[in-house]
Amino acid sequence: GNSVTQMEGPVTLSEEAFLTINCTYTATGYPSLFWYVQYPGEGLQLLLKATKADDKGSNKGFEATYRKETTSFHLEKGSVQVSDSAVYFCALNTGFQKLVFGTGTRLLVSP
Amino acid sequence: DAGVIQSPRHEVTEMGQEVTLRCKPISGHDYLFWYRQTMMRGLELLIYFNNNVPIDDSGMPEDRFSAKMPNASFSTLKIQPSEPRDSAVYFCASSKSTGLPEAFFGQGTRLTVV
Repeated sequence: GNSVTQMEGPVTLSEEAFLTINCTYTATGYPSLFWYVQYPGEGLQLLLKATKADDKGSNKGFEATYRKETTSFHLEKGSVQVSDSAVYFCALNTGFQKLVFGTGTRLLVSP
Repeated sequence: DAGVIQSPRHEVTEMGQEVTLRCKPISGHDYLFWYRQTMMRGLELLIYFNNNVPIDDSGMPEDRFSAKMPNASFSTLKIQPSEPRDSAVYFCASSKSTGLPEAFFGQGTRLTVV
């Protein structure tokens, strides 16, 4: 079946540190991959996406590259801010409208 | 567009009572999803609709849960009778069938059953 595995959190960083949140997937076919972010008290928002191998999604300084050979879609940011503190969800879709989400990784950034 | 609108934002009810959660999807979106989020189980897909028709309800935990979509602009999730273990944040999301399945989420309803 289709599934997404994310690193467990929380990830605790100081402001301006480098961020990596790991995500690997198992899927039949050729999935599209997504990162969603959930700020406290809010719903999930799409952060970035990639539709095929070697595509790089980017938004707000965050990046993730679709790696088919390692079935991964790791989220990175060069310099995090306190305002990036949130829960990050990796997700995949295999051609139907239903998204399969990972368990989420909480990021805490301190000043 | 106002986005996906859910009501109420917070609901506190006593065990055994009926609870109804409401959702208005984004206009023009033909898919609607209901999710439940808890610390223990994370984000779970309960049911989703396409063009107002339920497509997959395999995530609905038990018969106490039911969902309807009488028209393209409104859906409800009902729990009857409610139990303390139903306490969670319930999200509604919608998307279009054309293009990538970019789901837009509402702000959620925090349900507490005491």
